[in-house]
Amino acid sequence: SQKIEQNSEALNIQEGKTATLTCNYTNYSPAYLQWYRQDPGRGPVFLLLIRENEKEKRKERLKVTFDTTLKQSLFHITASQPADSATYLCALVNSGNTPLVFGKGTRLSVIA
Amino acid sequence: GAVVSQHPSRVICKSGTSVKIECRSLDFQATTMFWYRQFPKKSLMLMATSNEGSKATYEQGVEKDKFLINHASLTLSTLTVTSAHPEDSSFYICSARDSGTQGNTIYFGEGSWLTVV
Repeated sequence: SQKIEQNSEALNIQEGKTATLTCNYTNYSPAYLQWYRQDPGRGPVFLLLIRENEKEKRKERLKVTFDTTLKQSLFHITASQPADSATYLCALVNSGNTPLVFGKGTRLSVIA
Repeated sequence: GAVVSQHPSRVICKSGTSVKIECRSLDFQATTMFWYRQFPKKSLMLMATSNEGSKATYEQGVEKDKFLINHASLTLSTLTVTSAHPEDSSFYICSARDSGTQGNTIYFGEGSWLTVV
């Protein structure tokens, strides 16, 4: 069966450390992956998109990797801050105009 | 980045009435928009895919006569919850695909809280 899993439901880290979130998928061949941030009661905010032929993407303190062999994407936040606390969603698109398929999200808490 | 506007952000309606939620892509054209529903602390649940100029495609278990979707232009899709009941109370979120960007980035609206009393 097809699955998209984010490694943990919740992750607590100390301010200043690097947060690493994992997204694994099974029985998909995604054309690309997108990462979103969602705060309580708000819609998801787009962060980064990485395509199947890209290994790594960066944006400010954010970095995403995509390993199609391992069927995994890693999302890193360096020098984390309490303001980074939110739920982070991994989503993939299999092809064309198909909708995003979401993982359940990881709730990140950055402790001062 | 691209902006998707959703309106209203909060609405309260009486049981049996209908309520319309609008989703607009403000700075790009979206041939495809998606409607989701989300319960507290749960994942986004795809309800339907809205295609400009054609009928929406509904996910299994979603009543198309209850959740009417209209995508009449390249920048606007609407979701109408008909004959609303308290169990329809939820957070509804739309998203729109920007086909102009590499990778067809999908952007979300801010969401609409519906409370049926």
